[in-house]
Amino acid sequence: NFMLTQPHSVSESPGKTVTISCTRSSGSIASSYVQWYQHRPGSSPLIVIYDDDQRASGVPDRFSGSIDRSSDSASLTISGLQTEDEADYYCQSFDASNAYWVFGGGTKLTVL
Amino acid sequence: EEQLVESGGGLVQPGGSLRLSCAVSEFSFNTYDINWVRQAPGRGLEWVSYIARSGDPIYYADSVKGRFTISRDNAKNSLYLQMNSLRAEDTALYYCATSYYFGSGLFKWGQGTLVTVSS
Repeated sequence: NFMLTQPHSVSESPGKTVTISCTRSSGSIASSYVQWYQHRPGSSPLIVIYDDDQRASGVPDRFSGSIDRSSDSASLTISGLQTEDEADYYCQSFDASNAYWVFGGGTKLTVL
Repeated sequence: EEQLVESGGGLVQPGGSLRLSCAVSEFSFNTYDINWVRQAPGRGLEWVSYIARSGDPIYYADSVKGRFTISRDNAKNSLYLQMNSLRAEDTALYYCATSYYFGSGLFKWGQGTLVTVSS
């Protein structure tokens, strides 16, 4: 199985823009769609981006997703940061060869 | 509103068994594939198992293969996870989550049920 590597933590000020990266260890990032989940303490995970760059229903357009085939990485960008965006964010993709859903290790976003 | 509600978690000794349930309401249960995902204390999300809407195919993470069994009863709008030979490292919050097709993202999640494996 491949791995997805995320930074352990990022921090930024309210109103600013932050980008969280997710790098695939082997194979092409484009071979399976990437999803992003927001996970606040005490709540269930919430899908915010699916199929690389599609916003899930009800998710503000401050959230956007993209992939970079040259670096086999995906990115989640959150603009106009708000304190409510503070959460853990996980990328996820699918290993079709082994029928395995792969999660990144998660990135703790602090808005301060 | 569509809801998934997990139950069946608790404290169990190493080597013991537990059966988790995931009850689904307000939507057509048999139109979704469903997964179990867990989060150990202080750790990230880990996919555990998948079952298609028809009941086949079924897949497991290597960490639980041979010990856990996923099943569903579409007539009862319910999903199950039979967990045997439990280990301390199985201690986690277990979520059920729907997916639209094999390999898709996980769109609706339950609130989770806590499993603690300890003597």
